[in-house]
Amino acid sequence: QKEVEQDPGPLSVPEGAIVSLNCTYSNSAFQYFMWYRQYSRKGPELLMYTYSSGNKEDGRFTAQVDKSSKYISLFIRDSQPSDSATYLCAMRRTGNQFYFGTGTSLTVIP
Amino acid sequence: DAEITQSPRHKITETGRQVTLACHQTWNHNNMFWYRQDLGHGLRLIHYSYGVHDTNKGEVSDGYSVSRSNTEDLPLTLESAASSQTSVYFCASSESGPMNTEAFFGQGTRLTVV
Repeated sequence: QKEVEQDPGPLSVPEGAIVSLNCTYSNSAFQYFMWYRQYSRKGPELLMYTYSSGNKEDGRFTAQVDKSSKYISLFIRDSQPSDSATYLCAMRRTGNQFYFGTGTSLTVIP
Repeated sequence: DAEITQSPRHKITETGRQVTLACHQTWNHNNMFWYRQDLGHGLRLIHYSYGVHDTNKGEVSDGYSVSRSNTEDLPLTLESAASSQTSVYFCASSESGPMNTEAFFGQGTRLTVV
């Protein structure tokens, strides 16, 4: 079993929809939770991060962490065609290594 | 501005040849990582380094090697390229310490082994 599981999609939504992206994990030692966005033929870029449990909001994006359920989510409100990308969750324990999900491919249709 | 660059961006090589992919970062980060990205597998860790002369094997290290002779560079060598190593390769770097929440990625190298 992989330490981080993510539904690869693909996910296709109309412009303006609310998007929910999710990851589950098995290692309770993970403390740092991140979402990366990767446009086609580009490297991943950090979108948001949260430490431990709770919510974090940044504009149209909200990251949620539920450590009791080992479940993290990224919500995108009022989705735009420019949000079309692959979204990867990532996690880290106290060490320096990152553990990535497989990524979910999102297409926002105008 | 600090950055991380990979070269070449695209490479076609023949089975059995030795290939080296370059990664150079100007962030002065101690941590550097090599990943490969394949459909259905996401990012898989090949090798990583936490400092000069430090190297460690990742999840899919067979057939690959790295060396770290300075802070800025972590070249990835495919000793004898195989078709199974056709992939997109990403280099990344990050700070050390508990608050290194961000890994900075290069643009990727698309390698085709024929």
